[in-house]
Formats: sequence, C-alpha cells, structure tokens
Amino acid sequence: AQKVTQAQTEISVVEKEDVTLDCVYETRDTTYYLFWYKQPPSGELVFLIRRNSFDEQNEISGRYSWNFQKSTSSFNFTITASQVVDSAVYFCALRDGGSNYKLTFGKGTLLTVNP
Amino acid sequence: EADIYQTPRYLVIGTGKKITLECSQTMGHDKMYWYQQDPGMELHLIHYSYGVNSTEKGDLSSESTVSRIRTEHFPLTLESARPSHTSQYLCASRLCYEQYFGPGTRLTVT
Repeated sequence: AQKVTQAQTEISVVEKEDVTLDCVYETRDTTYYLFWYKQPPSGELVFLIRRNSFDEQNEISGRYSWNFQKSTSSFNFTITASQVVDSAVYFCALRDGGSNYKLTFGKGTLLTVNP
Repeated sequence: EADIYQTPRYLVIGTGKKITLECSQTMGHDKMYWYQQDPGMELHLIHYSYGVNSTEKGDLSSESTVSRIRTEHFPLTLESARPSHTSQYLCASRLCYEQYFGPGTRLTVT
C-alpha cells in the first residue's frame, strides 16, 4: 500500500526566512512518481513539480528547490527567502508506475509566512 | 497553465435537493478525476474516468454519480444532498503524468 507522510501540520516563518517542508513516502513499486502541489486560500491546487523514481537529481526553480533521496524515501521541498505569497497548504503526492489513476496525497502542511 | 473549469465555485443548497457540479477541460485530456476535500484535510479520490463512457469509483465511498459523455465534460451529481456532503469538490484532468486541477466547488448543504 502507498502512503505519504507530511509530519509538519503547520509551519510559521517570518518573511525572508528559508523553510523546508518534509515529505516521506512508502511504496513497494520500483517505478513511481512524486509530486508537490500548492493550495492557496482560494482553493485550487497548483502543480509545482514531478519527480520520477529513476531520476534522483535535485531540482531548483527560482526560490524553490526539491531534494529527492530514495535511500530515505524522502522528497523534501525548500523555499528560500520566503514571501507572504508563499502562504498556502502544500501537498506531497505519490503515484505508482502501474496505476492509471491513483494519486495518494499527504495530509498537507500549512505554511504561513508573516511579514 | 491548465484550462480546467468548475462551476459553480460556491453553492449553498438545502437538504434533499439534486445538484450537479460541472467540470470541463479544453486540453483534450482523456483522464479525469473528482476529489473531495474537507477543510484542512487531504484529498480523497471519489470518481475517475479513463475516457468517454468510462467511469469508476475511487477510494472514498461517495453517494455521488458521474458521467462522461464527452471528453471535455465530467459532471458530478448528487441526487439528494445532505449536510454530510458539505465539502470542497475538486476536479482534475491528466494527459501523461501531472494532474491539473480546477478551482474547486465549495458545497454547503443546510
């Protein structure tokens, strides 16, 4: 069975601080895909990144970076120099290689960036 | 950017009413999904579709039904709304890997 754990329920930081959101996953599949989504107060989910299980390269996109480590089954997300607009709920999700439909979501981490 | 639309965005309705939540996408994606999300909680898959005339139930049992008569349209219907149906409903579509989500419908049943 697949499982995604986001142990941090809520994080509060002051603007310009760096913050890391943790994600730990469980799967028996050797091929799988990991995702991060952002859900601002308006409610929609915004796709941020996808990572394939066979590609462990870390990725940086502007102030966002992702650290994928298969050895610890983790896919952590770091925001550098956080801004108020980063305030949102962030979800980590997992899909196995054989599934046509199922995204397993973590419970989400509420990030609040204070001015 | 994904072009996936949901209407209405907000709906307050009385118990026992029949409602249909609309979802449409203009990207030609075959696969579409409905999720239910209570405030502050994770998403639960309630329905999905691989294509026209294909619908399946998801992980979370739901009293709603769906149809897929056209590729771009995947409406969700509640025959008789109850307060327990109060939630946010998110529609998504997928071509290859990523699912793209609509803005959601916040449903309140009084």
